[in-house]
Amino acid sequence: AQTVTQSQPEMSVQEAETVTLSCTYDTSESDYYLFWYKQPPSRQMILVIRQEAYKQQNATENRFSVNFQKAAKSFSLKISDSQLGDAAMYFCAYRANNYGQNFVFGPGTRLSVLP
Amino acid sequence: NAGVTQTPKFQVLKTGQSMTLQCAQDMNHNSMYWYRQDPGMGLRLIYYSASEGTTDKGEVPNGYNVSRLNKREFSLRLESAAPSQTSVYFCASSRAGLSNSPLHFGNGTRLTVT
Repeated sequence: AQTVTQSQPEMSVQEAETVTLSCTYDTSESDYYLFWYKQPPSRQMILVIRQEAYKQQNATENRFSVNFQKAAKSFSLKISDSQLGDAAMYFCAYRANNYGQNFVFGPGTRLSVLP
Repeated sequence: NAGVTQTPKFQVLKTGQSMTLQCAQDMNHNSMYWYRQDPGMGLRLIYYSASEGTTDKGEVPNGYNVSRLNKREFSLRLESAAPSQTSVYFCASSRAGLSNSPLHFGNGTRLTVT
């Protein structure tokens, strides 16, 4: 079974600095998708970024980018120019590209942004 | 666009009581899901419905039942609540057949069972 690991339960970053959140996953599939979700104190789950495993180019969405290392099964999230509004729980998620495959979530990393 | 709407936002139950969590989506998605979120465990899938008329067990189905009422609505029922079911519950939906389609979540229900 696929598993997703986020080894950092908590992280902190100074406002305007850069922080990287780690995610590793275990799978025997070659075709799959990876996602990062943000959960602010409002409890809402917000999609931050997604990556197709067949794409070598790392996905980027404004201040958010990923470092996807397929061989290492690593999918880290980099947040540049951190803002107070980035404070949240961040969840990494995996989904195989097979019909009926569901999402597998990591345990989450709580990010604090210090003013 | 409302997206995914789930009710209620908060609920307190006594052990043994029953309740139904309601979920509706207006994005014409075929697939709908119920997750529970517990500290340090991420989101775990309770039940899902790949399409109207079908439901399947997820990772933690014990103590729950679901009904896919129509394409828009997917409810989760606790027949006899237990303290172990204290959690935050999320309903979500996605487009079927596209594995890169993300999950769209409701705002969650915080359930406390005493």
